[in-house]
Amino acid sequence: DQQVKQNSPSLSVQEGRISILNCDYTNSMFDYFLWYKKYPAEGPTFLISISSIKDKNEDGRFTVFLNKSAKHLSLHIVPSQPGDSAVYFCAASAGTQGAQKLVFGQGTRLTINP
Amino acid sequence: KAGVTQTPRYLIKTRGQQVTLSCSPISGHRSVSWYQQTPGQGLQFLFEYFSETQRNKGNFPGRFSGRQFSNSRSEMNVSTLELGDSALYLCASGLASGANVLTFGAGSRLTVL
Repeated sequence: DQQVKQNSPSLSVQEGRISILNCDYTNSMFDYFLWYKKYPAEGPTFLISISSIKDKNEDGRFTVFLNKSAKHLSLHIVPSQPGDSAVYFCAASAGTQGAQKLVFGQGTRLTINP
Repeated sequence: KAGVTQTPRYLIKTRGQQVTLSCSPISGHRSVSWYQQTPGQGLQFLFEYFSETQRNKGNFPGRFSGRQFSNSRSEMNVSTLELGDSALYLCASGLASGANVLTFGAGSRLTVL
């Protein structure tokens, strides 16, 4: 059962335009969400996160939006740059006492075209 | 500050063999998590260790095991390898158990023939 889903395996965007990556989740216990970016031959790197008490978090060109009622989050990158070409993973966790674990989506390959 | 170091980076094994992968977390990080990445499956959680204790475990068979040492370094072992175990195995370290923001290593790519 895939609790975190990224339904678009790939996305192609023109340089300078907005990139929007989507993620859906099914577990209503998730209360913390993150986006990671992964380049080939490297491990994923943390990009931005959002707590379930917020609906938006912004960091420079990156903004994450959370719609709890729809169990949906999205990552907006504006303006998109060639260096943003990578695989983006959405991840979620459910806070409990003790250890937590991140549940990742399958990833979306973003390609920024010059 | 050195990042998360995983060894070996690449290895090839045959079915039935066993393999041990090593991970050195960022200095000062005491939590180590392991993930398996396969095409189409994303990253799947294997287990998390903190203070030499397994704190959480994913849905993998008992052939997958791990341990953590007193210096926070961790190893994972896969016994009786199957073709489907071919994957990128990623280690991630965090400051504390349950840390959400993890720092990942570059991974160990295992190919089972």
